[in-house]
Amino acid sequence: SSELTQDPAVSVALGQTVRITCQGDSLRSYYASWYQQKPGQPPLLVIYNKFNRPSGVPDRFSGSRSGNTASLTITGALAEDEADYYCSSRDSSGDHRWVFAGGTKLTVL
Amino acid sequence: QVQLVESGGGVVQPGKSLRLSCAASGFSFSKHAMHWVRQAPGKGLEWVAVISNDGSNKYYADSVKGRFTISRDNSENTLYLQMNSLRPEDTAMFFCARDLIDGDFVWGDLDSWGQGTLVTVSS
Repeated sequence: SSELTQDPAVSVALGQTVRITCQGDSLRSYYASWYQQKPGQPPLLVIYNKFNRPSGVPDRFSGSRSGNTASLTITGALAEDEADYYCSSRDSSGDHRWVFAGGTKLTVL
Repeated sequence: QVQLVESGGGVVQPGKSLRLSCAASGFSFSKHAMHWVRQAPGKGLEWVAVISNDGSNKYYADSVKGRFTISRDNSENTLYLQMNSLRPEDTAMFFCARDLIDGDFVWGDLDSWGQGTLVTVSS
């Protein structure tokens, strides 16, 4: 199985840009999905297939990938963006299994 | 609109069984792969299992393989998770989630989630 790692916590000043990263060998072969989760709520898909946004997700959210690292960038962070963010990708073993990273707690100052 | 409603959670003793259900509505259930994802209290997300749109393919996380069985009834628009030999470390909120893109291939992008059902394994 593969492993994905994220920084446990990141902070950003209101209106500034923040990048949340996710590292893992599986990201060389598979794109990451990114999820936002607020307390007491289920996760919300914000980025899939490296840079696609589902309908309704603001365009301040963007995704990218370089080597074994996927990134979620929030350009002009709002107070409502304060949440936990998780990346996920398919397991690099080739089996049809998926893995989540441990998540990043984003604080908007 | 897409709606997923989980049920079946509760308090169960170690070694016992429980079956979770996820009732789907608002979309063509039989066209989408479906997943179970869990989250232990205060912890991160853990992928549990996936079933293809027609139910012919099923895959599991190592942590549950051999103990949990995912299934679906496309005539009833319902997803299931049969959990046997439960352990205290299985205590979690269990979410069902839809694979975003319909079709035979499983993409793993989960665009719709239920509110979850809580499973507590304790003596």
